[in-house]
Amino acid sequence: QLQLQESGPGLVKPSETLSLTCTVFGGSISSSGYYWGWIRQPPGKGLEWIASIYYSGSTYYNPSLKSRVIISVDTSKNQFSLMLSSVTAADTAVYYCVSHSRNNWFDPWGQGTLVTVSS
Amino acid sequence: DIQMTQSPSSLSASVGDRVTITCRASQSISTYLNWYQQKPGKAPKLLIYAASSLQSGVPSRFSGSGSGTDFTLTISCLQPEDFATYCCQQSYSSPWTFGQGTMVEIK
Repeated sequence: QLQLQESGPGLVKPSETLSLTCTVFGGSISSSGYYWGWIRQPPGKGLEWIASIYYSGSTYYNPSLKSRVIISVDTSKNQFSLMLSSVTAADTAVYYCVSHSRNNWFDPWGQGTLVTVSS
Repeated sequence: DIQMTQSPSSLSASVGDRVTITCRASQSISTYLNWYQQKPGKAPKLLIYAASSLQSGVPSRFSGSGSGTDFTLTISCLQPEDFATYCCQQSYSSPWTFGQGTMVEIK
């Protein structure tokens, strides 16, 4: 059974870069037809899709964040990563890593990790 | 971007009640609509995909319907474990967007 687990700092200073990694367990990140993505949820608010990547390296970004986001994949470690630059308090959120097929419904989800942007 | 609007934003119901939640898309999305359940402090869980297909392991009291712009999630007989927030998501076009959520509370 596929499981995902996020890791990374829980506190990032304003203007710095948020970096998170998701490790995939129970399956290969190179599996054909599977995409790997990031979704965030500010405290008390709704869900926002950030970006997705295919193991081959094809990337898909939310235009609202595209200028600040890089998503990457490391097939040797069965991991994918998110970098979000120039963060502000508005980027404080629980960040989830997810898997999805070409049909683009998200399942499964990682447990989520809270990232707070504060000095 | 396609905007997803849910109603109501919250509701109070009793165990055994039939509950209906509505999701409306700002443009037609065919049946590219998915529903998630989220409990406090937990990640969302996929319940329904492609508007009406039940995800494996999800109880049959959950059902989804609709196409175009209007969709419905129904819980036929509310159970204690169903008190949670439910949100819809369109998978018709990128960026994939979510509704703001409907909180189902105990009456």
